[in-house]
Amino acid sequence: KQEVTQIPAALSVPEGENLVLNCSFTDSAIYNLQWFRQDPGKGLTSLLLIQSSQREQTSGRLNASLDKSSGRSTLYIAASQPGDSATYLCAVREGTDKLIFGTGTRLQVFP
Amino acid sequence: EAGVTQFPSHSVIEKGQTVTLRCDPISGHDNLYWYRRVMGKEIKFLLHFVKESKQDESGMPNNRFLAERTGGTYSTLKVQPAELEDSGVYFCASSQNRGQETQYFGPGTRLLVL
Repeated sequence: KQEVTQIPAALSVPEGENLVLNCSFTDSAIYNLQWFRQDPGKGLTSLLLIQSSQREQTSGRLNASLDKSSGRSTLYIAASQPGDSATYLCAVREGTDKLIFGTGTRLQVFP
Repeated sequence: EAGVTQFPSHSVIEKGQTVTLRCDPISGHDNLYWYRRVMGKEIKFLLHFVKESKQDESGMPNNRFLAERTGGTYSTLKVQPAELEDSGVYFCASSQNRGQETQYFGPGTRLLVL
């Protein structure tokens, strides 16, 4: 049974720092991995999608990497800003279409 | 292009009552998913529609939950009778094709059963 773990559970940093959020999964037989952002009381916003054949994806200040064989993904946030404060979720997609989510990392960036 | 919409945004009901949640996917998306997060836990899959057909309902917790997608457009998720442990946030997502595409999520319905 696939399990997805995110470390750390919470993170508080000053503005301008570069951050790394970690996601690990127990079964490497995945189709893709998706990183989401959730703001308080809001839905999920898709940030990056990495297919199983890819190593990384970039969007602006965000870079996500995938090491399928070791069951790991990282989300790198460059030059963090207070507006980056949110909960970040990773989810893996297996043979069926369902996503299996981690518990998230709650990020706070203070000025 | 409008995103995934869900109604209502919040619902407070008493144990034993019935609640119906609605999801309107992005236009043209054949795939529709329901997920939920109960307090303190991770988001978990409930079921997946391809057009009007249930493709995977392995995550439905019990027979008090009934999902429909008549006509392959919007979907409803009915909880009858609601129990305290059903409280949580119910998310709907949609995608155009299966497999490798991004799932786009709605804002969720926050359900509180008292």
